[in-house]
Amino acid sequence: GAGVSQTPSNKVTEKGKYVELRCDPISGHTALYWYRQSLGQGPEFLIYFQGTGAADDSGLPNDRFFAVRPEGSVSTLKIQRTERGDSAVYLCASSLHGGSAGELFFGEGSRLTVL
Amino acid sequence: QKEVEQNSGPLSVPEGAIASLNCTYSDRGSQSFFWYRQYSGKSPELIMSIYSNGDKEDGRFTAQLNKASQYVSLLIRDSQPSDSATYLCAVYSGGGADGLTFGKGTHLIIQP
Repeated sequence: GAGVSQTPSNKVTEKGKYVELRCDPISGHTALYWYRQSLGQGPEFLIYFQGTGAADDSGLPNDRFFAVRPEGSVSTLKIQRTERGDSAVYLCASSLHGGSAGELFFGEGSRLTVL
Repeated sequence: QKEVEQNSGPLSVPEGAIASLNCTYSDRGSQSFFWYRQYSGKSPELIMSIYSNGDKEDGRFTAQLNKASQYVSLLIRDSQPSDSATYLCAVYSGGGADGLTFGKGTHLIIQP
């Protein structure tokens, strides 16, 4: 596609439920990133994929969060036993190669609300 | 803990004036520096990148980098109301941590 596509755009769930957020990067981009942005804050790094592997998952806050990218394209961020503090906009970004010189192209985000 | 600091604002600038946005970072080994613009309810978009000390100009935008002072700035000349947005400073440190570290952003308001 022309840009990074994220679904759903909005997700409301109840505390304790399981959630999946999907990201379809720009075609040909090998690097894929997940960020989380709370109101009034900058994006917070969660995880970075280079191809199919998670090259850096140091930003995942705890073991309730997990992400996959099985075929090196679409990625899914999975959140188990959601908590109210997980409410945020989850941003996905892709870049052609990753690393220091790569411009990140962001999707419009998935707004997660945990009641 | 790598930190990127910005004044959250709001920074109010009259139309046609120069808007000056500042950012400091904690990791002296940082390699690459970026300014992203984020309109309310939208995703960030890259407007400038800078990798070496000095100034880099692109149209009405100038990025300035001083690695000794660990300081990055963005100047917007001839500010327009459409420049009103939050400007995010982002830093890449490398060394295995491949994600950008973002500041909280500065909310810029251009007054017509």
